[in-house]
Amino acid sequence: QKEVEQNSGPLSVPEGAIASLNCTYSDRVSQSFFWYRQYSGKSPELIMSIYSNGDKEDGRFTAQLNKASQYVSLLIRDSQPSDSATYLCAVNIVGSARQLTFGSGTQLTVLP
Amino acid sequence: DGGITQSPKYLFRKEGQNVTLSCEQNLNHDAMYWYRQDPGQGLRLIYYSQIVNDFQKGDIAEGYSVSREKKESFPLTVTSAQKNPTAFYLCASSIGEGYEQYFGPGTRLTVT
Repeated sequence: QKEVEQNSGPLSVPEGAIASLNCTYSDRVSQSFFWYRQYSGKSPELIMSIYSNGDKEDGRFTAQLNKASQYVSLLIRDSQPSDSATYLCAVNIVGSARQLTFGSGTQLTVLP
Repeated sequence: DGGITQSPKYLFRKEGQNVTLSCEQNLNHDAMYWYRQDPGQGLRLIYYSQIVNDFQKGDIAEGYSVSREKKESFPLTVTSAQKNPTAFYLCASSIGEGYEQYFGPGTRLTVT
């Protein structure tokens, strides 16, 4: 089992819809969770950090964390074509030499 | 204006040559990282450093070398021993273990 898993997609949603991206992780004691956005040919950009159970909202983005079920999700409301990118989930796997472990990413396309 | 710089943006080399990729940060971060990303793939950790004059191998260190003589700088050398060096190389930094990482713009290396 991979330590951090994401559906690779591609995920397509119409403009204005809610895009839901999911990530599961294997380490029950993980404390830090991050979402990155990566446009094609560019480097990842941090868009959300979440550390405690529940929801965290920032503009059109909401991160949701459920440590008991070991998943973290990202909701994008009122999706725009400019949101089309690959979204990477990253988790601090305690005891891992990797510092942060990244999922392989979910490719999102927002259709005009 | 704080950030991470990588140079060059594009690099072309002949097979059998060593090449050094530059990474500089002025964020006063202690930890720095090198990742490799292949088309359609996630991030794979090459090396990381938590403090000056110390660094550890990541998942795919073979054929690569690094140094950390200054807090601000973490250059990566791709040696001729690396079997498939053509890839997108990303440098990142963070204030410490488990914290969010910030990425530079990347260097796209092509070896022919």
